[in-house]
Amino acid sequence: NAGVTQTPKFQVLKTGQSMTLQCAQDMNHNSMYWYRQDPGMGLRLIYYSASEGTTDKGEVPNGYNVSRLNKREFSLRLESAAPSQTSVYFCASTIRSSYNSPLHFGNGTRLTVT
Amino acid sequence: AQKITQTQPGMFVQEKEAVTLDCTYDTSDQSYGLFWYKQPSSGEMIFLIYQGSYDEQNATEGRYSLNFQKARKSANLVISASQLGDSAMYFCAMREYRSNDYKLSFGAGTTVTVRA
Repeated sequence: NAGVTQTPKFQVLKTGQSMTLQCAQDMNHNSMYWYRQDPGMGLRLIYYSASEGTTDKGEVPNGYNVSRLNKREFSLRLESAAPSQTSVYFCASTIRSSYNSPLHFGNGTRLTVT
Repeated sequence: AQKITQTQPGMFVQEKEAVTLDCTYDTSDQSYGLFWYKQPSSGEMIFLIYQGSYDEQNATEGRYSLNFQKARKSANLVISASQLGDSAMYFCAMREYRSNDYKLSFGAGTTVTVRA
């Protein structure tokens, strides 16, 4: 059972380049999320998709776009990468939009922008 | 204002001893969930334990227990009989309803180092 799968695991970009981070879950979850993790700041929500066909901004959406391709897949795009986007990115999913449902996380993508 | 506060950036604990990780939270909602996650040095986020705002009993999962004090808005994690494999970063998180969804907010984390 793969759970939440993120690709790639590592990426180095030059300032101004674009890339898409891929995320897929095989748990038939309805809600999916993208977080970034920076030292000393915990995880911060970038974008989320409460259900297939909907996406909304989180706490730190600037510089990012997302696509909920289908129920399984939720991608994060950086159109013009900046050094401030150097971070570890996590995709997560949960069965339903409810306060008692835990999020399950992928293994993360470590992105460096030079 | 910080939603989740973890005041201990780092802690050391002797193997086989218990350790308590502090977490306080801020919400005016009646319905919310509190979660603890473990992040080992390999980087993955592992769900450990959950406590609901309406739960009257403290949650337990094996060696993990959550000391829930609702009036004080406190949700401390207790790890009993620490093992070397418990060395990791631990995050407290809260799920509450904001803008059409129950969002999960994280504290800054506490690094635990278990000494042999």
